[in-house]
Amino acid sequence: GQQVMQIPQYQHVQEGEDFTTYCNSSTTLSNIQWYKQRPGGHPVFLIQLVKSGEVKKQKRLTFQFGEAKKNSSLHITATQTTDVGTYFCAGSDMTTDSWGKFQFGAGTQVVVTP
Amino acid sequence: DVKVTQSSRYLVKRTGEKVFLECVQDMDHENMFWYRQDPGLGLRLIYFSYDVKMKEKGDIPEGYSVSREKKERFSLILESASTNQTSMYLCASSRLNQPQHFGDGTRLSIL
Repeated sequence: GQQVMQIPQYQHVQEGEDFTTYCNSSTTLSNIQWYKQRPGGHPVFLIQLVKSGEVKKQKRLTFQFGEAKKNSSLHITATQTTDVGTYFCAGSDMTTDSWGKFQFGAGTQVVVTP
Repeated sequence: DVKVTQSSRYLVKRTGEKVFLECVQDMDHENMFWYRQDPGLGLRLIYFSYDVKMKEKGDIPEGYSVSREKKERFSLILESASTNQTSMYLCASSRLNQPQHFGDGTRLSIL
């Protein structure tokens, strides 16, 4: 079945630095979503990517969907303490699962050092 | 704003008990989901439902069942609770292929 893997599992970042987290799928995806979960909170939707090679930006966050639609990345520039949390990607393959079920990765836990 | 409400934030039960976790959404979403979240394992799908009385197994359905009698309500049932079911349980709802909206979660401890 479909597997979604995220790396790294943990990311320690100095405030002001950039970092990237990666999401890889064993199958071609129809679309991919990214979520952020603050400590003690629940996952909150950030963005959805649908097209091959798509790039979307939200302020300091840049999301990319690979050309083959099997991988995605989230790049954060000038990290701030408000970026602390766990970032999850979730992929859906509508060719095999038309009900919109998403497979979540294990997440990247981000810790920011002031 | 979408509201997904889970009946309890914290719950403590004993081994062998039948446990009910309730989830209600107010946005008329077709899809509803139950996940469990454990450290290092991310969100694992237990069951989901795409319509009233319709359900599909997720990745880890063993030991669980679900009920969806009304569109807004999706219940997760632990038939006979065991200690390995101690976890954070998250409910979510969405329209087809759209973002999922999560509840605050229920931290369930089985003693």
